[in-house]
Amino acid sequence: EVQLLESGGGLVQPGGSLRLSCAASGFTFNNYAMSWVRQAPGKGLEWVSVITGSGGNSYYADSVRGRFTISRDNSQNTLYLQMDSLRAEDTAVYYCAKDPSGSYGGPFDYWGQGTLVTVSS
Amino acid sequence: SYELTQPPSVSVSPGQTASITCSGNNLGYKFASWYQQKPGQSPVLVIYQNNKRPSGIPERFSGSNSGNTATLTISGTQAMDEADYYCQAWDSSNYVFGTGTKVTVL
Repeated sequence: EVQLLESGGGLVQPGGSLRLSCAASGFTFNNYAMSWVRQAPGKGLEWVSVITGSGGNSYYADSVRGRFTISRDNSQNTLYLQMDSLRAEDTAVYYCAKDPSGSYGGPFDYWGQGTLVTVSS
Repeated sequence: SYELTQPPSVSVSPGQTASITCSGNNLGYKFASWYQQKPGQSPVLVIYQNNKRPSGIPERFSGSNSGNTATLTISGTQAMDEADYYCQAWDSSNYVFGTGTKVTVL
């Protein structure tokens, strides 16, 4: 059974940093691209970043490029999102989501339960 | 940047058919996916590659995509189908989500 378990969310001040983790199980982690998707309170879904299965390529939404960094440790089956220079508008539930291929562009066939990030003073 | 537009809300009576549209420039040349999200839950993939259903998704969910519009159709809508629905496509190295549609089963 595929499982994705996010952690690392919490309350952080504007300008601060936070690192999210997503522990994966139930599939061969390094075979699949992984993404972070967020959802602000009461709002829709917004894609944040994707990384290929090998970790060799990644893309970012314009709203986070230069502030967020996606990475993965395939030996630990874990996906990360390093978030720096956080802003109030980054407040959201952050989901990790699996692509059904090693590259990107496909749908998200599995999602984690999400972790809440609140940016506030 | 690429945009996908959905109607904010759709109402349907139990047993009837609900259709949710997703509009984007030349969307028919891309693959469209659809997600269902119930309150307090994570999204669930219900349609991918325009019209394919993942394992475990009921047959009453179907999809199509042509021209500038993708459509999710729920036939014989049940109370359990009340949820928010989002379309999604890939464009220029970005995943793009639609604005979302709240389906109410009256």
